[in-house]
Amino acid sequence: DAGVIQSPRHEVTEMGQEVTLRCKPISGHNSLFWYRQTMMRGLELLIYFNNNVPIDDSGMPEDRFSAKMPNASFSTLKIQPSEPRDSAVYFCASSLGGWFSVNQPQHFGDGTRLSIL
Amino acid sequence: DAKTTQPTSMDCAEGRAANLPCNHSTISGNEYVYWYRQIHSQGPQYIIHGLKNNETNEMASLIITEDRKSSTLILPHATLRDTAVYYCIVRVGENRDDKIIFGKGTRLHILP
Repeated sequence: DAGVIQSPRHEVTEMGQEVTLRCKPISGHNSLFWYRQTMMRGLELLIYFNNNVPIDDSGMPEDRFSAKMPNASFSTLKIQPSEPRDSAVYFCASSLGGWFSVNQPQHFGDGTRLSIL
Repeated sequence: DAKTTQPTSMDCAEGRAANLPCNHSTISGNEYVYWYRQIHSQGPQYIIHGLKNNETNEMASLIITEDRKSSTLILPHATLRDTAVYYCIVRVGENRDDKIIFGKGTRLHILP
C-alpha cells in the first residue's frame, strides 16, 4: 500500500524565496496534518485538515506560512518569504476519522528536509 | 508541555526484550496511550495504542498499569533496526481541538 507521499525530499533555497511543500495522503484518509521538526523544538503540529477543511491552524508560526488542501488527495504548505529559521524537516501525516480520533493512528510521510540559506 | 515523562535514553542488547517506560500521571479516563517511534531520517511510525487493557500486535506489547498512570512498551526481541526515538503520547485534555504533544521521547540504542 502506498503511504503518505511528500515532495520534494530535500529543498535548499535562499532566504526570501517562496517554498512549496507537497503532500499526498493515504487514499481514503480524511484527516491531514502538517508538522515541523527541529532539534530545538522537537515535533510540532502546524495545521490540521479534516475533510479538506482547515480545523486548527494555531500552530502555524506566522503569516508567512500558509496551507491548502484543494482536494482529498493533495495538500501544500507554502512559506513566503522564507527565512533561515524556517530550516527544518516538515512532515505530513494522514489518518481516518477526526482530529485525533482516538482509535485511528496517524501515518507519516518521510518528510521534506528544508534548508534556507 | 508534554503530558508524559520518559527516560532520555536506554540501551538494550540485541535479542533481548526492550522495556520502555512512560509516566502519564494526569491521564484522563477516556484518554488513550499511543506509542510512535522515529528511525533516523524517517517520519514517525505508529507502533501501538491502548486505553486500559494490555495490548499486543506484531510489533510490540503495551502494558498499562491498573491506575493508568504509567505504561511500558515492550519490544520482545530487539534487533538493530529497532534503534530509534520512541515517543509515548496521551491525548491532552477532553477538547477535540487539543493538540498531540510529542515530547522528547526515549532514544533506544540496541547494542550488538
